[in-house]
Amino acid sequence: EPEVTQTPSHQVTQMGQEVILRCVPISNHLYFYWYRQILGQKVEFLVSFYNNEISEKSEIFDDQFSVERPDGSNFTLKIRSTKLEDSAMYFCASRALAGGDNEQFFGPGTRLTVL
Amino acid sequence: RKEVEQDPGPFNVPEGATVAFNCTYSNSASQSFFWYRQDCRKEPKLLMSVYSSGNEDGRFTAQLNRASQYISLLIRDSKLSDSATYLCVVMDSSYKLIFGSGTRLLVRP
Repeated sequence: EPEVTQTPSHQVTQMGQEVILRCVPISNHLYFYWYRQILGQKVEFLVSFYNNEISEKSEIFDDQFSVERPDGSNFTLKIRSTKLEDSAMYFCASRALAGGDNEQFFGPGTRLTVL
Repeated sequence: RKEVEQDPGPFNVPEGATVAFNCTYSNSASQSFFWYRQDCRKEPKLLMSVYSSGNEDGRFTAQLNRASQYISLLIRDSKLSDSATYLCVVMDSSYKLIFGSGTRLLVRP
């Protein structure tokens, strides 16, 4: 069964450092998303991406964040200068073009710890 | 008002029990509705989509009431493996998912 994959599973970084979180969406999907979940809190939308550009971003997704699809398979989230409050699980999700129930399928997540 | 509101629980039930979760959402323009399941420190996994006509998948039954902006999930014959957090999720008009905070279920032997 096709699945979304994410690397690394756990990233520890120092405050102020740049991190890149990587995702490989399901191969025939065209819509891509990043969500985050701070420990003990609900899952929150960060950004959606389609046709090589951002479709929508939340208030959380400020100038420190960027996304990129550098090739035909990877979808990355970069945080330029991490803050303590960026510590969270980051989930990538993908969705097929149309039809069905618009389900989004989630990767296993990257646990980001900012020290 | 929260966009998607759920009772956080926990619901602590014996094996074999029937348990029901409810959820309300605030945006009447929401277009799709789901229940996801999340195990501790894992990703959300789609349990089922929710339709106005109601839908059933084995022991799980979901129902949507658009007029009341209310979503429900019924689990029959609970198993130990059903212990998890159940997330009520709404897709808005721009196709992003809005999550509730989740309802925690504990099924005891």
